[in-house]
Amino acid sequence: DVKVTQSSRYLVKRTGEKVFLECVQDMDHENMFWYRQDPGLGLRLIYFSYDVKMKEKGDIPEGYSVSREKKERFSLILESASTNQTSMYLCASSLPTDGNQPQHFGDGTRLSIL
Amino acid sequence: QQQVKQSPQSLIVQKGGISIINCAYENTAFDYFPWYQQFPGKGPALLIAIRPDVSEKKEGRFTISFNKSAKQFSLHIMDSQPGDSATYFCAASPNSGGYQKVTFGTGTKLQVIP
Repeated sequence: DVKVTQSSRYLVKRTGEKVFLECVQDMDHENMFWYRQDPGLGLRLIYFSYDVKMKEKGDIPEGYSVSREKKERFSLILESASTNQTSMYLCASSLPTDGNQPQHFGDGTRLSIL
Repeated sequence: QQQVKQSPQSLIVQKGGISIINCAYENTAFDYFPWYQQFPGKGPALLIAIRPDVSEKKEGRFTISFNKSAKQFSLHIMDSQPGDSATYFCAASPNSGGYQKVTFGTGTKLQVIP
C-alpha cells in the first residue's frame, strides 16, 4: 500500500513566522501535490510537482512556496504565515497520469495561525 | 471558478436507505471522474471512478451513474451503513497527456443513522 506521511497532525504558529510542512511518500511516485481543505470549499490545489526540482502553481499559490529536493519528499512553505492560512493541509502523490492515476493522500496537517 | 458543482452539502440517511450525491461539470474536456471518501481524521481515498464511455459503474454497494449529455454524474450508495458516514468528494480531470489537474467538488458530509 502507498503511504503518504505528513510530519505533523497539528501545528500552531504565530503570524509572520516561516512555516514548513513536510510530506514523504514511499512508492516512488513522480507526482506530488499540496492541497488545502476548507469547509464548503473542498480541496484546492496550492502547488504540485511532477519531478524533482520541478513545480507548478495550482489554483491558490499566493503566500506559499514549495521545495522538492528528493523524489520522495515535498515540502510546503508559508513564507510569512497569516491568519487566513489557518486550514487543513493535505499532501498527495500519484503515478504519472497516463490513464489518470488515483491520488494517494496523507492524513493532513491542521495548521492554526494565531 | 467552481468547475465541478456538488450537492447536497450534507445528507442524513437511515441505515439501509439509499444515499445519492450529485455532481455537475462544465468542462467538456473532462474525461475521468473519480469519487473520494474521507473519514474524520483521515485523508481522502479513492472510492470508485468512471470514464464517459460507460453510463454506469458498480462496485459492491457503490454505483456511479454518468450522463454525458447533461454533464452530470452521481454516486449512489445502496443499503447505506453507519460505517459509510464520511465526507464524499466528486472530482474530474481531462486526459490529454502529461499531468492534468484534478478539480474537486466541495464535498458532501454523509451521516447514516441507525
